[in-house]
Amino acid sequence: EVQLVESGGGLVKPGRSLRLSCTASGFTFGDYAMSWFRQAPGKGLEWVGFIRSKAYGGTTEYAASVKGRFTISRDDSKSISYLQMNSLKTEDTAVYYCTKGKYCSGGSCYADYWGQGTLVTVSS
Amino acid sequence: DIQMTQSPSSVSASVGDRVTITCRASQGISSWLAWYQQKPGKAPKFLIYAASSLQSGVPSRFSGSGSGTEFTLTISSLQPEDFATYYCQQANSFPPTFGPGTKVDIK
Repeated sequence: EVQLVESGGGLVKPGRSLRLSCTASGFTFGDYAMSWFRQAPGKGLEWVGFIRSKAYGGTTEYAASVKGRFTISRDDSKSISYLQMNSLKTEDTAVYYCTKGKYCSGGSCYADYWGQGTLVTVSS
Repeated sequence: DIQMTQSPSSVSASVGDRVTITCRASQGISSWLAWYQQKPGKAPKFLIYAASSLQSGVPSRFSGSGSGTEFTLTISSLQPEDFATYYCQQANSFPPTFGPGTKVDIK
């Protein structure tokens, strides 16, 4: 059974940093792209970024709203994906979801499995 | 970026009703479209990909169709567990984008 478990969310002041982790199980982690999405309170879904599998270079892509501030990485030996968030803004407040990629085209993937999400609140 | 729109924004329906949701893309995306279901306080659930392929384990009352710029999600006979918000997502080009969602609630 595929499982994705996010951790690391919490309350943080504007301008500070936070690192989220996504621990995966139930599939061969290294074979798949991993994406992060977010959902602000009462709002719709927003793609944050993703990291390709090592077979496709392990490269990353980011939404314009987070590019230069957020970094996605992966540790295939531990089946963990990370989302490092720097220079946080109040508008980054959201539930952050880690997802497994299915059938990627260029810089976009379907997300066939989702974690339960972790809430990040950016407030002074 | 490709803009995705959905209609209606909400629909009230009864158990057993047939419900159809439309998703439109601002430019052609071939069949690179997915549908997700989200219940309050829960993560989205992947229902359909490639516009019409049912994800494993998803009930057959869900179906998808379309290509290019216009797509539909149909629930053939609404069940109590189907009351939720539904989102479409294009995966044809970077960045992936979602529609604003369609809320299906009880009439």
